[in-house]
Amino acid sequence: DAGVTQSPTHLIKTRGQQVTLRCSPKSGHDTVSWYQQALGQGPQFIFQYYEEEERQRGNFPDRFSGHQFPNYSSELNVNALLLGDSALYLCASSPSGGAVDTQYFGPGTRLTVL
Amino acid sequence: QKEVEQNSGPLSVPEGAIASLNCTYSDRGSQSFFWYRQYSGKSPELIMSIYSNGDKEDGRFTAQLNKASQYVSLLIRDSQPSDSATYLCAVNSRGNGGFKTIFGAGTRLFVKA
Repeated sequence: DAGVTQSPTHLIKTRGQQVTLRCSPKSGHDTVSWYQQALGQGPQFIFQYYEEEERQRGNFPDRFSGHQFPNYSSELNVNALLLGDSALYLCASSPSGGAVDTQYFGPGTRLTVL
Repeated sequence: QKEVEQNSGPLSVPEGAIASLNCTYSDRGSQSFFWYRQYSGKSPELIMSIYSNGDKEDGRFTAQLNKASQYVSLLIRDSQPSDSATYLCAVNSRGNGGFKTIFGAGTRLFVKA
């Protein structure tokens, strides 16, 4: 039973560029949430997707957008990258449309913006 | 005021002792409470979930919830060096058919052999 997977593992970009991060949820899970974790901080909630729609959103600017596909996988897009976007980006999945709110995290994507 | 607050530590305990980790939260509408363990460079790993007032035990771990005081705690009995990690408190609130998770900044725990 595959857990949550994310790609790529590491990524280096320069300011102003755009980036796309990918996530495949745990088998049987249909809800995907994205988090940003800066060094020494707890994860910050970006948004949550279910049935290909954004259902909840944290305090992140519109430069952060997402998408969920019919197979429940998801992408996080960040436009006009800033140095402050450097962080570990985590994807978490949960089952039952979010009715069960226990989440399982993927290994993360480490984004460095130069 | 931060929504979920934890003492950043580090908390240092000797091997075999009880480690006590604490967390307070500000949203009285919060419904679900979680403790995650995060090793350096790794992603968070779920340890415990608790939904109602009182204690919940799972092996060496006990979570305690007091909604009136808006307080969650985690006790680790017989602490082992492998328990050395950052412990994240997380609180869920519901809306629009989904849920939103707020994490604390984490408490670093060191267990000395």
